[in-house]
Amino acid sequence: IAGITQAPTSQILAAGRRMTLRCTQDMRHNAMYWYRQDLGLGLRLIHYSNTAGTTGKGEVPDGYSVSRANTDDFPLTLASAVPSQTSVYFCASSEGPGWNTEAFFGQGTRLTVV
Amino acid sequence: QKEVEQNSGPLSVPEGAIASLNCTYSDRGSQSFFWYRQYSGKSPELIMSIYSNGDKEDGRFTAQLNKASQYVSLLIRDSQPSDSATYLCAVIEQTGANNLFFGTGTRLTVIP
Repeated sequence: IAGITQAPTSQILAAGRRMTLRCTQDMRHNAMYWYRQDLGLGLRLIHYSNTAGTTGKGEVPDGYSVSRANTDDFPLTLASAVPSQTSVYFCASSEGPGWNTEAFFGQGTRLTVV
Repeated sequence: QKEVEQNSGPLSVPEGAIASLNCTYSDRGSQSFFWYRQYSGKSPELIMSIYSNGDKEDGRFTAQLNKASQYVSLLIRDSQPSDSATYLCAVIEQTGANNLFFGTGTRLTVIP
């Protein structure tokens, strides 16, 4: 089934450790996004990529980095995890960017930093 | 960044009633508006998009857009218990990267 796959689905991580959340899509979408979702704060954009080879910062980029070496993959790296990065992380993709682009989401990664 | 505001709820309606969900946005230049549904523990899924002033109907769902008032709403007719979820309003900014910004969501409970 075509779509977006995230891995792992959940992870408990010690503070200070490095972690990469993986995201792969097979819809040949140009744009990809990483959001975090926290209770009461909704979905907040961390980083985005409008096309392979380019990335940009969203609302809450500090402590995170991304790369977009090809169309399908958009990994999110936490260089040195802190407890405030405990959240549910969603990867999304769209045909866009564009004014009428519709985003599709992966199943999410629940990350707990202890 | 642009602001998207929703009443967090919870909103409770009886089965068969009309549920009305509201959203306001701050970027007057925004042209694209979306409603996503998110079940507890699941990822958001797109249920409606609207780009022009007025109403757009899709089955039991109607999206309404008023750009002058910077207001977008979602009506769910004949509400069912399976409609119980959090509904997220999302807006695409029109400058820079055309990114999608979300409200915090309204939690809807349909009571059998």
